[in-house]
Amino acid sequence: QAGLTQPPSVSKGLRQTATLTCTGNNNNVGNQGTVWLQQHQGHPPKLLSYRNNKRPSGISERFSASSSGNTASLTITGLQPEDEADYYCSAWDTSLNVWAFGGGTKLTVL
Amino acid sequence: EVQLVESGGGLVQPGGSLRLSCAASGFTFRNYWMSWVRQAPGKGLEWVASIKEDGSQKYYVDSVKGRFTISKDNDKNSLFLQMNSLRADDTALYYCANVDGIVGTPSWGQGTLVTVSS
Repeated sequence: QAGLTQPPSVSKGLRQTATLTCTGNNNNVGNQGTVWLQQHQGHPPKLLSYRNNKRPSGISERFSASSSGNTASLTITGLQPEDEADYYCSAWDTSLNVWAFGGGTKLTVL
Repeated sequence: EVQLVESGGGLVQPGGSLRLSCAASGFTFRNYWMSWVRQAPGKGLEWVASIKEDGSQKYYVDSVKGRFTISKDNDKNSLFLQMNSLRADDTALYYCANVDGIVGTPSWGQGTLVTVSS
């Protein structure tokens, strides 16, 4: 079934900017809003961005989502130690009628 | 505040059954699609099933079709997952979620652990 492609790992330095990518196709990322989730070890996923790159209340402005064609991106500015986590993208696939998830990106803050 | 509280997980033998429940509050449950998403130990998130607001449409990942059934009781603000013919590879933490995030936050529950083992 549908799966979105994320790089397995990204490493950046403290206070730097990280851009995480999520690649799908015309049936999911390309025509549907992409959801971004953050998951710390031992905790449930936390919503960072949803529908047309909206940010839920309480989420830092350091997190911003965007998309171009079949690729969605999550940019995290001013990296902090607490940003070290796994990040997942997801989008509804209108052809397969499934929620497609990426395999997740482990972000390391050096 | 939105709350999603799962229950019903546990240890079950291969071939057995379990019924997961999710109690929702803090939003108008009957107006939203809801889903179950699982996470095997040390692995990523895997979508399992989704149900339309009124329960009229249901979708499943191929690996659970014919074995799992998602349902929704809008009068009791509850989501369910009936799991039959359980296999070892169904072992995971099962989350109740509004995956597209429009109900508010937190849009994911804490999860309930299902372990399939003899």
